[in-house]
Amino acid sequence: QVNVVESGGGVVQPGRSLKVSCVVSGFNFKVFGMHWVRQAPGKGPEWVAFIGSDGTYRYYAESVKGRFIVSRVNSKNTLFLQMNSLRAEDTAVYFCARVRNSYESGTPQRFDRNFYDMDVWGRGATVTVSS
Amino acid sequence: QSALSQPASVSGSPGQSITISCTGTISDIGGSNSVSWYQQFEGKAPRLIIYDVSARPSGISYRFSGSKSGNTASLTISGLQAEDEADFYCSSYATTTSPELLFGGGTKLTVL
Repeated sequence: QVNVVESGGGVVQPGRSLKVSCVVSGFNFKVFGMHWVRQAPGKGPEWVAFIGSDGTYRYYAESVKGRFIVSRVNSKNTLFLQMNSLRAEDTAVYFCARVRNSYESGTPQRFDRNFYDMDVWGRGATVTVSS
Repeated sequence: QSALSQPASVSGSPGQSITISCTGTISDIGGSNSVSWYQQFEGKAPRLIIYDVSARPSGISYRFSGSKSGNTASLTISGLQAEDEADFYCSSYATTTSPELLFGGGTKLTVL
């Protein structure tokens, strides 16, 4: 059974750091790109970051560029989002989501129009930035 | 303010059809067929119901259909059922200075 589980959310003060994790099971993690998407209370989803299947290429939303880092350890079926210099507006539920199309080419996976949609989502990790 | 524009709410009676629009620009919706739709129930993760403008993932009802004209994508739900009541979000791949993924602000569907 395909499964994605986020963890590591919590309450953190502005300016501090937090790292959320996402452990997957039931599919071959190393051939799928992954996204992080967040959703603030009462708002629509907001894309945060994408990482290619082998971790070479990473892309970020302008709102988090320079502060957040996405990474993955394929041998442990785990995805990470390191969040630094947190702000109140980063308060949201953070979802880890699998790209629908797998990628099994020998070249590193870039974020192109074949890898924008997500068919498997976790339940999310709640991050609250507050003093 | 979200990058893609959707109506805040739409409603319909059981058995009727409704359509939700999603308007973007030539840099996103108008520039490719990389448009998807998600359904989200309260407290749950989004669920992919349409991708590539009009394709349905396995297990998604034929009552959900998608289309696109110019910079506007649309989701139509036919034969409305009470269990369709949820929030719906459009999404599009976009290329400006670098690749990104845009979402709409969401449309609340109420089944009367």
